[in-house]
Amino acid sequence: QVTLRESGPALLRPTQTLTLTCTFSGFSLNTPGMLVSWLRQPPGKALEWLAVIDWDDDEKYTTSLKTRLTISTDTSKNQVVLTMTNMDPVDSATYFCARVRSGGYADYWGQGTLVTVSS
Amino acid sequence: QSVLTQPPSVSGAPGQRVTISCTGSSSNIGAGYDVHWYQQLPGTAPKLLIYSSRKRPSGVPDRFSGSKSGTSASLAITGLQAEDEADYYCQSHDSRLSGSSDYVFGTGTKVTVL
Repeated sequence: QVTLRESGPALLRPTQTLTLTCTFSGFSLNTPGMLVSWLRQPPGKALEWLAVIDWDDDEKYTTSLKTRLTISTDTSKNQVVLTMTNMDPVDSATYFCARVRSGGYADYWGQGTLVTVSS
Repeated sequence: QSVLTQPPSVSGAPGQRVTISCTGSSSNIGAGYDVHWYQQLPGTAPKLLIYSSRKRPSGVPDRFSGSKSGTSASLAITGLQAEDEADYYCQSHDSRLSGSSDYVFGTGTKVTVL
């Protein structure tokens, strides 16, 4: 059974750094063809892809936020961490992690975690 | 920011057929990238509905079908049911900005069952 769960702060101040952790089970990031991605969705708006890391530790980032994002895995490779620097109120959103297959689609999603940026 | 355009809303009576378009360009759908579709019920995470343009994951009813042609893709729902009322998003890849492929989503479509 594949599960993913996001954890992190619910509230941040502007300019702070967001650190989110995705803890997953039921699959291995050591398996070729497996990837884990971070995405977000501002309230009432569309989904936005942020970053992805694959079984070979290759990282990719959305072009518009590339300078602010870092995605990494822990040594056991059952957690994927996303850091996003210089947070702004416009970054307030529900952040999701998802398992992604080599075909480029997310077949399992976490429940999401709401992050609010406010002074 | 979305590079894939969907109609904001579509509606239909129970039992009817509705379609949702996803219009892209030569740097995404038209470049040959697959299109995937997600259903998002209110207050929940998205769920994969169609992958690789026309394949259904296990458990997804065959009332849902996908197609792709040129720079566009479509999701069709036949035999519309009340439980289908949700937001639907298409997703593909785009190579316009970075040279490598970014994951991109559509603007989203709200399906209302009348």
